[in-house]
Amino acid sequence: AQSVAQPEDQVNVAEGNPLTVKCTYSVSGNPYLFWYVQYPNRGLQFLLKYITGDNLVKGSYGFEAEFNKSQTSFHLKKPSALVSDSALYFCAVRDRMDSSYKLIFGSGTRLLVRP
Amino acid sequence: DVKVTQSSRYLVKRTGEKVFLECVQDMDHENMFWYRQDPGLGLRLIYFSYDVKMKEKGDIPEGYSVSREKKERFSLILESASTNQTSMYLCASSFPSENTGELFFGEGSRLTVL
Repeated sequence: AQSVAQPEDQVNVAEGNPLTVKCTYSVSGNPYLFWYVQYPNRGLQFLLKYITGDNLVKGSYGFEAEFNKSQTSFHLKKPSALVSDSALYFCAVRDRMDSSYKLIFGSGTRLLVRP
Repeated sequence: DVKVTQSSRYLVKRTGEKVFLECVQDMDHENMFWYRQDPGLGLRLIYFSYDVKMKEKGDIPEGYSVSREKKERFSLILESASTNQTSMYLCASSFPSENTGELFFGEGSRLTVL
């Protein structure tokens, strides 16, 4: 069965410092991996995805994520956090062998960036 | 611009009422999904649909049904609302492409069942 783990309920970081939001996954085959962001009372917005190729994926708003197959991880990173990055972040996975196109989401990590 | 529209942002219903949540997408996507979002549980898939009149159960279909009579519209139905269905409901759509699978989400419908 597919699953996603986001081990931290909340991540606190000071503005200007680097940030990391962790994600590990479990699939039977090879994964497609996604990060989404949710601002208060809004839907989810797509940030970035890993399909194939370069393990370092760059996305919107200066975010990037690194796919690590041996550690089954896909951590979200940003070199310098902004207060406006404060939001709820979701990691999601789809098994390439699954033809249903449904995504399995993690429980979410709240990012709080202090001024 | 890509657009998924959920007709109601906030609803308050009473236990036992029948509830309709409507979702419309303007991207000609084949796939549509209904998730519910609860704190600490993330998003859980209720139902999804590959095409008109087709539907598949997700991980938590109990107490819900869906309707897809037209390609652009996917409705979630709570036949008899219960308090444990108080939640944020998110509709999403996608194009069935091998290289994407990216979901486009609506703004969400926050349902409170009293």
